[in-house]
Amino acid sequence: AQSVTQPDIHITVSEGASLELRCNYSYGATPYLFWYVQSPGQGLQLLLKYFSGDTLVQGIKGFEAEFKRSQSSFNLRKPSVHWSDAAEYFCAVAGGSASKIIFGSGTRLSIRP
Amino acid sequence: EPEVTQTPSHQVTQMGQEVILRCVPISNHLYFYWYRQILGQKVEFLVSFYNNEISEKSEIFDDQFSVERPDGSNFTLKIRSTKLEDSAMYFCASSEARVGTVYGYTFGSGTRLTVV
Repeated sequence: AQSVTQPDIHITVSEGASLELRCNYSYGATPYLFWYVQSPGQGLQLLLKYFSGDTLVQGIKGFEAEFKRSQSSFNLRKPSVHWSDAAEYFCAVAGGSASKIIFGSGTRLSIRP
Repeated sequence: EPEVTQTPSHQVTQMGQEVILRCVPISNHLYFYWYRQILGQKVEFLVSFYNNEISEKSEIFDDQFSVERPDGSNFTLKIRSTKLEDSAMYFCASSEARVGTVYGYTFGSGTRLTVV
């Protein structure tokens, strides 16, 4: 069965510092991977997605993620965070023939001024 | 950019009452989904819908839940007799094609359901 693990429940970084949010997935075949961001009380916004091809994908708001099959990981990175990046970040996985997305439990990002 | 629209944004209902949550998916999308998020928890899959029938549902989606596409534009989630534990944010999503293509999902902004 598909599953996603986000090992960090809460991360605090200083504004301007770099960021890496971890995500590990479990899926038998090549997964379809996503990162979503959710501001308090808001909906889910897609940051980026990976289906195939280049394992380094670029997303919106300056985010990128790297798919590493050997580590079953899809970590999200940003070189310099802004106060507006404070939010909940969800990694998600879907199978090629599945019609559902499975979400991780999320990582809450706080920004230190 | 096309959006998935959900109404109402917030609904309060008494335990045991029926509620209908409404969604207008993106017009050329073919696959429709409902997810829920209990406060402070992760987003959970409820049901997917294609070609006017349920294609997959989770254990959460029991006999109290039903979905319908009553016309060409709306997609609804009905909870027949609400329980306190149904209080959550409910997200609708639509997809132009299966997840195995480049399109992926578009989520609505959610309906916060509060059962009192």
